[in-house]
Amino acid sequence: DGGITQSPKYLFRKEGQNVTLSCEQNLNHDAMYWYRQDPGQGLRLIYYSQIVNDFQKGDIAEGYSVSREKKESFPLTVTSAQKNPTAFYLCASSSFRGQPQHFGDGTRLSIL
Amino acid sequence: GENVEQHPSTLSVQEGDSAVIKCTYSDSASNYFPWYKQELGKRPQLIIDIRSNVGEKKDQRIAVTLNKTAKHFSLHITETQPEDSAVYFCAAPHGMGGGADGLTFGKGTHLIIQP
Repeated sequence: DGGITQSPKYLFRKEGQNVTLSCEQNLNHDAMYWYRQDPGQGLRLIYYSQIVNDFQKGDIAEGYSVSREKKESFPLTVTSAQKNPTAFYLCASSSFRGQPQHFGDGTRLSIL
Repeated sequence: GENVEQHPSTLSVQEGDSAVIKCTYSDSASNYFPWYKQELGKRPQLIIDIRSNVGEKKDQRIAVTLNKTAKHFSLHITETQPEDSAVYFCAAPHGMGGGADGLTFGKGTHLIIQP
């Protein structure tokens, strides 16, 4: 069954802690994306990757880091430098053309 | 970068009536415009998209129209049903890559279908 798997579904971060959100896809998609969604808001682009071992900053990359060592995986680390990390994080993937993009079920991150 | 404005933020219609949501974009080079539906606590799901070489696209009760000159596009839902209640987002390419470098989203429209 093809799709995008995000884990965990819920995550709690302590002060000064880095946390990593997992995103895996088995759709053989070249491009992967991370978006952040705050309550009542649209999605904002954090990072994207069009090929393995390459990624680019989106509009709100500060306080986040990513890696793309494998085509199917694009983990996002929320660092302690991100002072307001509470949000719903959504991973997406697409063919190299970027159309269409399909989303995983998301990870909800909260502060302890 | 691209800027997408979406209106209205909330739309309430009677069941069976039509609903229209409008978006404008800033980058005249944008060539791909998807619409997503998001139910509470769930992932956005693509419901329809349009490319800039066509002016209108339909899929059963849903249609999207595009006016490249005015740089706006609209979602039309006819014969609305209770299951259409959700938040709808429009989007446009974040950069020059037609979506390959991400999407810029509108802030969303909360569509409420009144019985």
